[in-house]
Amino acid sequence: TQLLEQSPQFLSIQEGENLTVYCNSSSVFSSLQWYRQEPGEGPVLLVTVVTGGEVKKLKRLTFQFGDARKDSSLHITAAQPGDTGLYLCAGARDTGRRALTFGSGTRLQVQP
Amino acid sequence: GAVVSQHPSWVICKSGTSVKIECRSLDFQATTMFWYRQFPKQSLMLMATSNEGSKATYEQGVEKDKFLINHASLTLSTLTVTSAHPEDSSFYICSARGQGWDPQYFGPGTRLTVL
Repeated sequence: TQLLEQSPQFLSIQEGENLTVYCNSSSVFSSLQWYRQEPGEGPVLLVTVVTGGEVKKLKRLTFQFGDARKDSSLHITAAQPGDTGLYLCAGARDTGRRALTFGSGTRLQVQP
Repeated sequence: GAVVSQHPSWVICKSGTSVKIECRSLDFQATTMFWYRQFPKQSLMLMATSNEGSKATYEQGVEKDKFLINHASLTLSTLTVTSAHPEDSSFYICSARGQGWDPQYFGPGTRLTVL
């Protein structure tokens, strides 16, 4: 059972379009991270959100943590081919190990 | 920034042999290291968590005798896949975390192919 569901699973858009990726769960997380992964490489951390309702911006990327800390979204404005990759959300619970539970992933392809 | 390395980046071995994968935190001390595996077009699945100097905590369904984890120092953890079989072929990724609520930083991954 996937604790974190991401949608859509796959997205193919044209350069310049906007998009939103959603990460939903029935569980509460103490923090949530977004990663981007290129084929054959490890995930690269994009952002960590901790506070319910928090919004963080990273250039053309906007991340939001839900008020109840159960969901998050990633919005990309004016997507570019360099944004192509696998986007993963990952939640950390307030437990000793603080292991991450990864979402199912969203594969984004931006066509030039 | 925090850098995590893995070695080797890829390995091909025969069925029945053992393979060791190293994970190193290069510029910080990792209190905790995590091992994940990732099958093609799938997300990462946590295999085990290791803390320096103590036994690893394995996730349900992961055989601890098959996937031996050693976290000998604050900068090195190793994963040994014993008696590897073709179904163990996968992309193995480690991550390392410092203290408190520090984020996890991931290594570049090791692609294991068992013939």
